[in-house]
Amino acid sequence: EAQVTQNPRYLITVTGKKLTVTCSQNMNHEYMSWYRQDPGLGLRQIYYSMNVEVTDKGDVPEGYKVSRKEKRNFPLILESPSPNQTSLYFCASSPDTGVNVGTEAFFGQGTRLTVV
Amino acid sequence: AQSVAQPEDQVNVAEGNPLTVKCTYSVSGNPYLFWYVQYPNRGLQFLLKYITGDNLVKGSYGFEAEFNKSQTSFHLKKPSALVSDSALYFCAVRVRNRDDKIIFGKGTRLHILP
Repeated sequence: EAQVTQNPRYLITVTGKKLTVTCSQNMNHEYMSWYRQDPGLGLRQIYYSMNVEVTDKGDVPEGYKVSRKEKRNFPLILESPSPNQTSLYFCASSPDTGVNVGTEAFFGQGTRLTVV
Repeated sequence: AQSVAQPEDQVNVAEGNPLTVKCTYSVSGNPYLFWYVQYPNRGLQFLLKYITGDNLVKGSYGFEAEFNKSQTSFHLKKPSALVSDSALYFCAVRVRNRDDKIIFGKGTRLHILP
């Protein structure tokens, strides 16, 4: 089954304790991205990657890191989480070459992160 | 700066009536436009998209949207609303310039009243 898998689904952590949210897709998609969803603000793009070893900042990258060592994985790293990073996070992927440019994104189920 | 606006936080429609969820955008270049739907405790699901061609696009669950270049709008429509259409709807735009961001609107919560 084609899917984007995020883990964990729920996470409560303390300020300053490094954490990683994993994202994996099994569709061989080139484009992957991370979003945070906050009430009244919609989805805001944190980082995106157009292929292996290529990452770029979205609109709200501060406090986050990403890596794209393999095509299928795109982990989101919070080196020193703060309470303002409490949010619902989504990973998404889409094909991005040739006739597939413009194809819609497939989203993971989300990770609800609480930083206390 | 590129942006997407969904001017209504919430839209209420009686079941069986037509519905419209509004979206306008501001981009430099030719946009790829999308509508997604989010049900409670779920990720986003794709509804429809405009890339090129016919301005009226049809998508999942009976939804359609009309691309209007002069008004820079991409409103989502359905002729007859169902209670099961109640959800959070997001408009999104992707423009491939020097960067390749995808920008979402803030979302519109659609309530279909029985």
